[in-house]
Amino acid sequence: NAGVTQTPKFQVLKTGQSMTLQCAQDMNHEYMSWYRQDPGMGLRLIHYSVGAGITDQGEVPNGYNVSRSTTEDFPLRLLSAAPSQTSVYFCASSPGRGENQPQHFGDGTRLSIL
Amino acid sequence: SQKIEQNSEALNIQEGKTATLTCNYTNYSPAYLQWYRQDPGRGPVFLLLIRENEKEKRKERLKVTFDTTLKQSLFHITASQPADSATYLCALDPNQGGKLIFGQGTELSVKP
Repeated sequence: NAGVTQTPKFQVLKTGQSMTLQCAQDMNHEYMSWYRQDPGMGLRLIHYSVGAGITDQGEVPNGYNVSRSTTEDFPLRLLSAAPSQTSVYFCASSPGRGENQPQHFGDGTRLSIL
Repeated sequence: SQKIEQNSEALNIQEGKTATLTCNYTNYSPAYLQWYRQDPGRGPVFLLLIRENEKEKRKERLKVTFDTTLKQSLFHITASQPADSATYLCALDPNQGGKLIFGQGTELSVKP
């Protein structure tokens, strides 16, 4: 099993450009989420999904869109990149919600917006 | 306001000693708390989960305590090794809906 796979690993964008960060998991997990990690801020939840066709906002959703057409994939779209979106982005999955569901993380996408 | 805080300064200890990391939270009443390890350039990896009705949880050289009165969790690594050097994150789920809130992490450095 590959676990949670994120692509690309690194990306540089210009302000105003759009792009999609890819996330795929092969564990048949229902719950998937996107976090961003900034120095001194810890991980902050952007969007999450409890199953195919269902998404909801986290703590910092502005400027990002998500969709969940399959159980395996949960892409994150930046509509018009801004320098404030420079960060490391992590995708995570778990079998479900609740106390017995530790999250499995990918190794991140490092995104720089110029 | 609600927040979760960990030691902001890096923790430097000698090999063989016990490392103790702190996680404090305010204005939450979590049913459980999780600890993760993160290595440079990698995603966090789950280590331990402790429930509100558990005072202590152990896994090999790791021990976690959870004091809901003090609103604090302590994470101990006994007989520490240089390979334990990493950033350790605590996380809680205020509404048991899977929306984890993370602390900012504490960087641990174990010197030989």
